[in-house]
Amino acid sequence: AQRVTQPEKLLSVFKGAPVELKCNYSYSGSPELFWYVQYSRQRLQLLLRHISRESIKGFTADLNKGETSFHLKKPFAQEEDSAMYYCALNLSPLSTSYGKLTFGQGTILTVHP
Amino acid sequence: DTGVSQNPRHKITKRGQNVTFRCDPISEHNRLYWYRQTLGQGPEFLTYFQNEAQLEKSRLLSDRFSAERPKGSFSTLEIQRTEQGDSAMYLCASSSGTTTNEKLFFGSGTQLSVL
Repeated sequence: AQRVTQPEKLLSVFKGAPVELKCNYSYSGSPELFWYVQYSRQRLQLLLRHISRESIKGFTADLNKGETSFHLKKPFAQEEDSAMYYCALNLSPLSTSYGKLTFGQGTILTVHP
Repeated sequence: DTGVSQNPRHKITKRGQNVTFRCDPISEHNRLYWYRQTLGQGPEFLTYFQNEAQLEKSRLLSDRFSAERPKGSFSTLEIQRTEQGDSAMYLCASSSGTTTNEKLFFGSGTQLSVL
C-alpha cells in the first residue's frame, strides 16, 4: 500500500536560515505529490503541487523518483512560516480524483526570531 | 465566509450514541471529500462524492459510518453506535475543476469526543 513518511515531527530553525522538510513515499508508480500547510488557527490549505513546478511563499519541492522523495525547501525561513506541514500523495493516474490523498504524519516547523 | 462550512465544531457524545455531522461545500464545487484525523496523525481519506454520487469509500469507513450528499450540495456523515475509537477530527473538503488542476479547500472540521 502507498505510504508517506515525514521523519521529523518537529523542526526548529532561526529566521533567515535554510529549511528543509523531508518527505518520502512508497509507491512504485508515478504519484502526484503535494504539500499542504496549516497555520495556527487556520484551515488546512494547499501549499504546492509538484506537477505545477511552482514556488509558493519561497518554498519549492522537487520530486526525486530515484529516492522516492519530495522534500520541501526554503532558502531563508521567516517567522510566518511557522506551521504544520503535511506531505501528501495521490495515486494518479490510477485514482479518479486528485482529492483522494494519502497524508504523512506532518512536521511542525517553528521559526525562531 | 464563503469557504467550506462544517457543523458542529465540537461534539461530545456517549459511547453507543449516534452522531451526524454536516458539511456545506463551496457552492460551485462538485466534489466533496470526508477525511478523519486522529491526534498526531495526518488526515485519512474516508469517502468522496462527485455531485450526489458517492464514488469511493475507504476501508476505514465501517458499516457504522454512512455519508450522503442528496442533492449534490451539502453532505452529512453519520456514525452509528459510536465507539471511543471514533474520537477524531472529521474534516470535509470540496473542489472543482478538472482532475489535473483539482485543488482541495478544507473546512475547519468537527471535533468528535466519544466518552
